[in-house]
Amino acid sequence: EVQLLESGGGLVQPGGSLRLSCAASGFTFSSYPMSWVRQAPGKGLEWVSTIGGSGAATDYADSVKGRFITSRDNPKNTLHLQMNSLRAEDTAVYYCAKDHNPNIYMDVWGKGTTVTVSS
Amino acid sequence: EIVMTQSPATLSVSPGERATLSCRASQSVSSKLAWYQQKPGQAPRLLIYGASTRATGIPARFSGSGSGTEFTLTISSLQSEDFAVYYCQQFNNWPLTFGGGTKVEIK
Repeated sequence: EVQLLESGGGLVQPGGSLRLSCAASGFTFSSYPMSWVRQAPGKGLEWVSTIGGSGAATDYADSVKGRFITSRDNPKNTLHLQMNSLRAEDTAVYYCAKDHNPNIYMDVWGKGTTVTVSS
Repeated sequence: EIVMTQSPATLSVSPGERATLSCRASQSVSSKLAWYQQKPGQAPRLLIYGASTRATGIPARFSGSGSGTEFTLTISSLQSEDFAVYYCQQFNNWPLTFGGGTKVEIK
């Protein structure tokens, strides 16, 4: 069974940093792109970032470009999201998702981890 | 950026009735359109990809149609477990974009 488990969320002050992780199991991790999608309280879904299977290619939403870095550790089946210079508007539930290959739609989602940016 | 617009924002339907949800793209996305279902407190779940292909395990009462800029998700006979929020997403262009969602509620 394909499973994704996010961790690392919490409360952080504006300007601070946080690193999210997503542990994957049940599939050949390195064969699939992975994405981060977030959902602010009471709002819809917002794509954040996608990383290719090898980790060489990444793409980011303009709202996080230059502040967030997505990476992956394929031998450890783990996806990461390094979030820097956090703002109040980054407050959201962050989901990691396994993408179809090569079309980037999310066919399996984790349960999410909550990030709150507040002083 | 391709803007995805869903309508209506809220749809009130009685159990057993048909529900028709719309998703419009600001420019053509070909058939590169997915639909997701999200229940309160849960992660989204993939329903449809490629505009009309049901994901694994999705009941036949869910169907998708359309191409280009106009798409429809139809639930043929609403069951109690179908009351949820539905999102469309285009994967034809970067950045990937989602619609604002349609909430299907019990009438």
